Amino acid sequence: NAGVTQTPKFQVLKTGQSMTLQCAQDMNHNSMYWYRQDPGMGLRLIYYSASEGTTDKGEVPNGYNVSRLNKREFSLRLESAAPSQTSVYFCASSFGGRETQYFGPGTRLLVL
Amino acid sequence: GESVGLHLPTLSVQEGDNSIINCAYSNSASDYFIWYKQESGKGPQFIIDIRSNMDKRQGQRVTVLLNKTVKHLSLQIAATQPGDSAVYFCAEKGIQGAQKLVFGQGTRLTINP
Repeated sequence: NAGVTQTPKFQVLKTGQSMTLQCAQDMNHNSMYWYRQDPGMGLRLIYYSASEGTTDKGEVPNGYNVSRLNKREFSLRLESAAPSQTSVYFCASSFGGRETQYFGPGTRLLVL
Repeated sequence: GESVGLHLPTLSVQEGDNSIINCAYSNSASDYFIWYKQESGKGPQFIIDIRSNMDKRQGQRVTVLLNKTVKHLSLQIAATQPGDSAVYFCAEKGIQGAQKLVFGQGTRLTINP
């Protein structure tokens, strides 16, 4: 049982490049989330998926898109990366919206 | 709007002492609170949670206290160990927007030998 896994662990992009961050969970959770964490700050919600087939915006959705590929996988896409998107990205999952969220190890993204 | 904050951004304690990390919240409608521990280079790890119908909950070496009157949450760690060094976040969920977990900025706990 690996919990929540994320790939890649680290990525460097040039401004304007695109990339997709992958997340998978093996806990049979219904809900999945993407957060970003900037230095000295708590986590801010980008997008979430309450259940397979649904996605909703969080606090900071601009510049991102998501896909809930199936119950296990939830990807985050940056279509045209900007330096302001340099951050650590965390994926999380939970049984439901009212339950505890479990986090992956994070993806460190640097946009030059 | 909702906000969750911490009184102390850093806390330094002696190994073996008890640690108390505090958190204030502003949304009186919040009904679920969680403490997370984040070690350097890792994702947040669930420690303990509490619902608003309780004022105290205990785990292994940790206790969470909830004072709804003053909208205050605290995490007590007994007999602090070097492995407890981390950033601790409190988070809340309100009744509205139940999917959204609102995090505080975090408190860094350092353990002196």
